[in-house]
Amino acid sequence: SQTIHQWPATLVQPVGSPLSLECTVEGTSNPNLYWYRQAAGRGLQLLFYSVGIGQISSEVPQNLSASRPQDRQFILSSKKLLLSDSGFYLCAWSVATGASYGYTFGSGTRLTVV
Amino acid sequence: AQTVTQSQPEMSVQEAETVTLSCTYDTSESDYYLFWYKQPPSRQMILVIRQEAYKQQNATENRFSVNFQKAAKSFSLKISDSQLGDAAMYFCAYRRGSGYSTLTFGKGTMLLVSP
Repeated sequence: SQTIHQWPATLVQPVGSPLSLECTVEGTSNPNLYWYRQAAGRGLQLLFYSVGIGQISSEVPQNLSASRPQDRQFILSSKKLLLSDSGFYLCAWSVATGASYGYTFGSGTRLTVV
Repeated sequence: AQTVTQSQPEMSVQEAETVTLSCTYDTSESDYYLFWYKQPPSRQMILVIRQEAYKQQNATENRFSVNFQKAAKSFSLKISDSQLGDAAMYFCAYRRGSGYSTLTFGKGTMLLVSP
């Protein structure tokens, strides 16, 4: 069966520090991968998605970047965190074909920038 | 661009009763899919139910069912025999069926369940 792992679960970082959140999927090949952010009391905002290794699409221009160095690995990064980067970050995957399938989400990372 | 609107920020229900969460969406597409996700306090996103736009029959999953009104672009979720474990944030989501597409979420409805 397919599983998705996301870490760390919680992170407190000072303003101006770098960030690296990692997400890996097991049990499937060539998944579509996604990074969402959920600010307090708000819905989910799509940040990045990837349909293949090295292929990254950005939905919102911001202080963050994403990379997909391997088929089932998706990394969210920042060189210098801002206070506004605080939030709950969710990684998700879906099958490459078939919009009828929803996404399967990781357990999320709560990021607090201080 | 597609939008998903959940007009109820919060709803309350007592155990064993029925509650309906509302969702409307805006699209010019004819081929699409609709979803309801549940986010309990653990914040893990869980797929509750899915509806294909080409199907007239409303989807049902145990105590969860939807009322899909395609012409009205409405997609409500009915929870029957509510349980304490149903307390969560519920998100409605839309995905275009043709070409590549991503999920668009509403802002969510917080469901409170009282004994």
